[in-house]
Amino acid sequence: QKEVEQNSGPLSVPEGAIASLNCTYSDRVSQSFFWYRQYSGKSPELIMSIYSNGDKEDGRFTAQLNKASQYVSLLIRDSQPSDSATYLCAVNIRNTGKLIFGQGTTLQVKP
Amino acid sequence: SAVISQKPSRDICQRGTSLTIQCQVDSQVTMMFWYRQQPGQSLTLIATANQGSEATYESGFVIDKFPISRPNLTFSTLTVSNMSPEDSSIYLCSGSQQARRLNTEAFFGQGTRLTVV
Repeated sequence: QKEVEQNSGPLSVPEGAIASLNCTYSDRVSQSFFWYRQYSGKSPELIMSIYSNGDKEDGRFTAQLNKASQYVSLLIRDSQPSDSATYLCAVNIRNTGKLIFGQGTTLQVKP
Repeated sequence: SAVISQKPSRDICQRGTSLTIQCQVDSQVTMMFWYRQQPGQSLTLIATANQGSEATYESGFVIDKFPISRPNLTFSTLTVSNMSPEDSSIYLCSGSQQARRLNTEAFFGQGTRLTVV
């Protein structure tokens, strides 16, 4: 089992819809979780961090964490074509400070 | 967030040669890491660059192939040694501050796109 798993997609949604991106992780000790966005040819950009169970909202983005289920998700409301990118889930594995990344989910928002 | 600069941004190298990538952070960071991103793939952690001591390598990566230096809290280098075409990849430097508990928000340099011919 990989330490961090994501569906590689592509996930295609129409403009204005909600995009839902999911991630599972294997280590129960991990406490810190992150979502990065990566445009083609660019480096990853941090968009959300979450440390506690429940929801965390920032603008159109909502991160959700369920430690019991070892599951973290990212919701993007009112999706825009500019949101089209690869979204990487990262886990501070075993709280070592090292980030382990999932394989990324490619999101396509169609006008 | 810290600003991380990498040099060079890209290079084309002959097989058998070595390339050193530099990473400069505009503020002191607790931790620095080197990642590799092969075409169409996600990020794979190569090693943690430790200030003033030997780097800590992940499984599958060794010091002889990827020597790393970190002389202070704002600078690190990664050398890709004795390169082969399989080393063609994007190499990314990352820095992070540990703030309350072990929350580590890591930021990335723009990456170095390496092509080995």
